[in-house]
Amino acid sequence: EDKVVQSPLSLVVHEGDTVTLNCSYEVTNFRSLLWYKQEKKAPTFLFMLTSSGIEKKSGRLSSILDKKELFSILNITATQTGDSAVYLCAGRRDYGGATNKLIFGTGTLLAVQP
Amino acid sequence: DGGITQSPKYLFRKEGQNVTLSCEQNLNHDAMYWYRQDPGQGLRLIYYSQIVNDFQKGDIAEGYSVSREKKESFPLTVTSAQKNPTAFYLCAIKDRGPGQPQHFGDGTRLSIL
Repeated sequence: EDKVVQSPLSLVVHEGDTVTLNCSYEVTNFRSLLWYKQEKKAPTFLFMLTSSGIEKKSGRLSSILDKKELFSILNITATQTGDSAVYLCAGRRDYGGATNKLIFGTGTLLAVQP
Repeated sequence: DGGITQSPKYLFRKEGQNVTLSCEQNLNHDAMYWYRQDPGQGLRLIYYSQIVNDFQKGDIAEGYSVSREKKESFPLTVTSAQKNPTAFYLCAIKDRGPGQPQHFGDGTRLSIL
């Protein structure tokens, strides 16, 4: 059975700290790994990682995928209170043709205190 | 997310009542998805559609139904057969191509009266 496991489940840090969020996956016919940030409502897309060892970066956020060890990390440096959210990780399973599905982890709740 | 509209934001259902959640998009994307989100659980796929007039069951389709009569619309009906419908429902769309991510609407929160 496909599964995506995120850790920690929740995390409280102070502004300026650096955090690392973990995501391990077991997904048949794995295609890529996606990270989303969810505040009150819609998850917003952060990164899609397809190749191992290539870091993707956007401002203070960065992410990398290890396809040998089946995990990904999301780093946030110099955290701000606006980074407080649930961070979701999802593995994309390829069914052939145009069909693919996302298998989501339960998320990491990050709280950044002033 | 821009281009995806879910309505209503909040919905209350009486026991034994069917309700329909709306998802509309104006980005001309082929694929549309419905997820359910419960506290402490990840998003779970209910139904998805790759093209007009075609849709497939996801992992938790029981008690739900959908239609895809128009490219821009993918409504979800929560039927009385769904015994635990209280949840946050998210609609997503995806453009063609393997490198495209899914983008989500703002969701509908459904509660039982």
